[in-house]
Amino acid sequence: DTAVSQTPKYLVTQMGNDKSIKCEQNLGHDTMYWYKQDSKKFLKIMFSYNNKELIINETVPNRFSPKSPDKAHLNLHINSLELGDSAVYFCASSQELAGSTDTQYFGPGTRLTVL
Amino acid sequence: AQKITQTQPGMFVQEKEAVTLDCTYDTSDPSYGLFWYKQPSSGEMIFLIYQGSYDQQNATEGRYSLNFQKARKSANLVISASQLGDSAMYFCAMRELPTDSWGKLQFGAGTQVVVTP
Repeated sequence: DTAVSQTPKYLVTQMGNDKSIKCEQNLGHDTMYWYKQDSKKFLKIMFSYNNKELIINETVPNRFSPKSPDKAHLNLHINSLELGDSAVYFCASSQELAGSTDTQYFGPGTRLTVL
Repeated sequence: AQKITQTQPGMFVQEKEAVTLDCTYDTSDPSYGLFWYKQPSSGEMIFLIYQGSYDQQNATEGRYSLNFQKARKSANLVISASQLGDSAMYFCAMRELPTDSWGKLQFGAGTQVVVTP
């Protein structure tokens, strides 16, 4: 069984469109995250949610809006897509925000290409 | 300022040899966690090993061990008996005090490892 899953795996779209990426974890974790990996493979946190509450918003443009309907799901909606949004987006989850069980487990990633 | 530094952009290692991947970190927090992840060419991020700042012993997980030198602020990953399947990008990451970082991982730039027969 997949622990952290994301859909879709690939997303190709035109500039200006709106798109969503979905994430689900079946690990029973309380905290979920979105990371962005750029073309140079650099990974950076975007958002984190703990028990459906937004904890981190790391100076991400307002066009990006995360939504957590429940603890097991964290979706990412992106409005008015720009060329610079092309990247791989990773969802992750951990049992806690920090502590002995704060290891983050990542989903398979969603490769977003904006044309 | 860069919190995690991985100075080796890439390295070749022969099968069955051991390889050490360097990682230095910068923090003034007494409580932090250090992580290593593997990203093969297929793209997924695989957790390898964790070291807490208060852990007295170096972490080990199978063929992976973490050489933790707290005073030098280094957390090098050692892969013993390399296998062809170890070819991947390896990332070092740090989580600082929860009230400062709220769980976010800060990643280094990664080291690309290629294992040759």
